[in-house]
Amino acid sequence: NAGVMQNPRHLVRRRGQEARLRCSPMKGHSHVYWYRQLPEEGLKFMVYLQKENIIDESGMPKERFSAEFPKEGPSILRIQQVVRGDSAAYFCASSPTGGDFQAFFGQGTRLTVV
Amino acid sequence: RKEVEQDPGPFNVPEGATVAFNCTYSNSASQSFFWYRQDCRKEPKLLMSVYSSGNEDGRFTAQLNRASQYISLLIRDSKLSDSATYLCVVNAGGGADGLTFGKGTHLIIQP
Repeated sequence: NAGVMQNPRHLVRRRGQEARLRCSPMKGHSHVYWYRQLPEEGLKFMVYLQKENIIDESGMPKERFSAEFPKEGPSILRIQQVVRGDSAAYFCASSPTGGDFQAFFGQGTRLTVV
Repeated sequence: RKEVEQDPGPFNVPEGATVAFNCTYSNSASQSFFWYRQDCRKEPKLLMSVYSSGNEDGRFTAQLNRASQYISLLIRDSKLSDSATYLCVVNAGGGADGLTFGKGTHLIIQP
């Protein structure tokens, strides 16, 4: 049973380009969470999704960031027109249910904006 | 979103010593509590859940104090491999909030 799979592991983008980060949850998990970790900082919640629904996006910046979790395929975190401040590690976690659960994390995608 | 506060450290502790961390949370409605461990540039991994009655797993003991809204982690007979960042994690329940992470406490075990 594969764990949470994130790809790419490392992503380099020039300022103004788009970044697409993918997350395939563990088999049987229908809840996905995205977190961002800036250098020397803690993890910050971004968005919580279930299949085809955004449940809580209170941690998402209002502009340039979007997330989806389609019926088929991985969850996608999309960052348009990236800026240097977007450079961070982006972690995805999945769980079988919401509420009281233990989240399992992917290895993260390290985004570097040059 | 509600806050979870931790002392960032670093805690420099000699091998074999006992070390304890505390974490406070602001949302009194929080229902689930966890300690995660994160090694440098790696993903967080669940260390242990924290139950109301407290729980122990080998050298690790976790306690919950709901009245004072804090969680503790005690590590006995510390090993060099315990060096990591320890994240206090709270889930407010209801399914909508997900997990709220503290910024972590950095532990360095010295030989």
